[in-house]
Amino acid sequence: KQEVTQIPAALSVPEGENLVLNCSFTDSAIYNLQWFRQDPGKGLTSLLLIQSSQREQTSGRLNASLDKSSGRSTLYIAASQPGDSATYLCAVNRDDKIIFGKGTRLHILP
Amino acid sequence: SAVISQKPSRDICQRGTSLTIQCQVDSQVTMMFWYRQQPGQSLTLIATANQGSEATYESGFVIDKFPISRPNLTFSTLTVSNMSPEDSSIYLCSVEFGFEGNEQFFGPGTRLTVL
Repeated sequence: KQEVTQIPAALSVPEGENLVLNCSFTDSAIYNLQWFRQDPGKGLTSLLLIQSSQREQTSGRLNASLDKSSGRSTLYIAASQPGDSATYLCAVNRDDKIIFGKGTRLHILP
Repeated sequence: SAVISQKPSRDICQRGTSLTIQCQVDSQVTMMFWYRQQPGQSLTLIATANQGSEATYESGFVIDKFPISRPNLTFSTLTVSNMSPEDSSIYLCSVEFGFEGNEQFFGPGTRLTVL
């Protein structure tokens, strides 16, 4: 059974710092991995999608990597801003089953 | 990308009543998904809705409690029936879309509080 774990559960960093969020999964046979952002009480916004054949994806200040063999993904946020404060979720897709981690609650201190 | 809207955005309901949540997509999609997010928790898939067929429910969710309609390729509804306070959650619909057809996009969610 696929399990997705995100560490840390919560993180507070000063504005301007670079940071890394971690996601691990137990079954490496995945179609893709997706990172989302969720603001309090809101829906999910797709940030980056990494197909199983890819190693990384970049969008602006965000870079996500995927190491299928070790069951790990990281989301790198450069030059963090207060507007980056949100919960970040990773999700793995296999057989049209999307399994979510519990998220990392990020707070950027002005 | 796909743009998804949901109605209502939030509601406060009395125990024992039912609420129907609507989900509209700006593109035709084969499958639509309904998720529940209980307070402080991650997302749990309720069911998958294909147009023209019965929805497929995940373990722990049944059609009598969460009936789903999928009348066309851009619209679906989820009804939360005979509500109790334990049903207080955010309900989200999502679709798979994109070049390879497997990127997930989510609606803004419906925040339900049951008194």
